[in-house]
Amino acid sequence: GENVEQHPSTLSVQEGDSAVIKCTYSDSASNYFPWYKQELGKRPQLIIDIRSNVGEKKDQRIAVTLNKTAKHFSLHITETQPEDSAVYFCAASNSGGYQKVTFGTGTKLQVIP
Amino acid sequence: EAGVTQSPTHLIKTRGQQATLRCSPISGHTSVYWYQQALGLGLQFLLWYDEGEERNRGNFPPRFSGRQFPNYSSELNVNALELEDSALYLCASSLGEPYNEQFFGPGTRLTVL
Repeated sequence: GENVEQHPSTLSVQEGDSAVIKCTYSDSASNYFPWYKQELGKRPQLIIDIRSNVGEKKDQRIAVTLNKTAKHFSLHITETQPEDSAVYFCAASNSGGYQKVTFGTGTKLQVIP
Repeated sequence: EAGVTQSPTHLIKTRGQQATLRCSPISGHTSVYWYQQALGLGLQFLLWYDEGEERNRGNFPPRFSGRQFPNYSSELNVNALELEDSALYLCASSLGEPYNEQFFGPGTRLTVL
């Protein structure tokens, strides 16, 4: 089955700096890669996603890159703000009628004001 | 539009008992997913239901089971509860193929004493 590894497990950055979280996956059939943000005591919420036919996607301060050959994808947050502090989960799934989503173990991001 | 709802919010059981957790998806969503989130850990995929059928399950013992009703709401049953079943159980819904974005409910906190 699919295996998703996520690094680092914790990340502290100064406000205004950039943060990068990396994930690798094992199943070459995976074709959908979402990122979720879970604030303390709240439910996970999708912040950005990318499909395997795209190499990069941006949404304001957030971007995701995908390298299918190397089977890794990354989340980039620029100009970090205290409200970016949360746990971030990457995930991989194969939407070809076998939609099991495998999540990474999460990265706790702390933005220091 | 109402989001995904789950009940109860908290559930306290003793070892060996059975627990039933409920989930109502967003109107129009046909897919329901169940995840277990143990304290400090990531999201572990439990079950996926679509159009009333179980489509996939994660690496959990058979005492974790569920069903999806004709109105697409879902129920997760955990039999013969063990202490390590204590966790936050999250339900998510999606429109189904090819729309993969999952919307999460607030979760049910299950405590096994």
